[in-house]
Amino acid sequence: GQNIDQPTEMTATEGAIVQINCTYQTSGFNGLFWYQQHAGEAPTFLSYNVLDGLEEKGRFSSFLSRSKGYSYLLLKELQMKDSASYLCAVLDSNYQLIWGAGTKLIIKP
Amino acid sequence: DADVTQTPRNRITKTGKRIMLECSQTKGHDRMYWYRQDPGLGLRLIYYSFDVKDINKGEISDGYSVSRQAQAKFSLSLESAIPNQTALYFCATSDLRTDQETQYFGPGTRLLVL
Repeated sequence: GQNIDQPTEMTATEGAIVQINCTYQTSGFNGLFWYQQHAGEAPTFLSYNVLDGLEEKGRFSSFLSRSKGYSYLLLKELQMKDSASYLCAVLDSNYQLIWGAGTKLIIKP
Repeated sequence: DADVTQTPRNRITKTGKRIMLECSQTKGHDRMYWYRQDPGLGLRLIYYSFDVKDINKGEISDGYSVSRQAQAKFSLSLESAIPNQTALYFCATSDLRTDQETQYFGPGTRLLVL
């Protein structure tokens, strides 16, 4: 079966750095996405990785290792507005998006 | 104006009623999706459509039906609503050719079935 694992909840301090991990087992791989979702709102696109390595976009970076079936989202200089759920999703061999359950990130002052 | 819109945004209905949720998009995308989201379970795919004449079942299609009336419109129907269909419903669109299948979501419809 296809599976995506990420921690259910994480807590971090304002101004700090946090890394949210995602591991996956899917039938094929055509890219990995990270989305941000504030409570009660729609998911919004953060990043896309299809090759190994680190993609940096402002305070957010995303890393991929295809051989390990592993990705992480790194958030720097945390702000209170970063409190949200972060969803990992993998595009499989049929170009279907397989979604993780999401990681709820709580930011404390 | 929002690229992906959903109506209604909130709906309360009774068990056994038939209801329809509507989705429209101005992004020009071929692919459209319906998801439901329940606390702690993440997004689950109900139905998807790759063009006007294409309809495919997702992970949890039982009790639901869809209609792709045009490229820009994709409607979800609950034939006979039941309380465990209470959830947050999202429509999404994507375009493999131009955007590596990045999905763009509507604002969601919050449905309560009594």
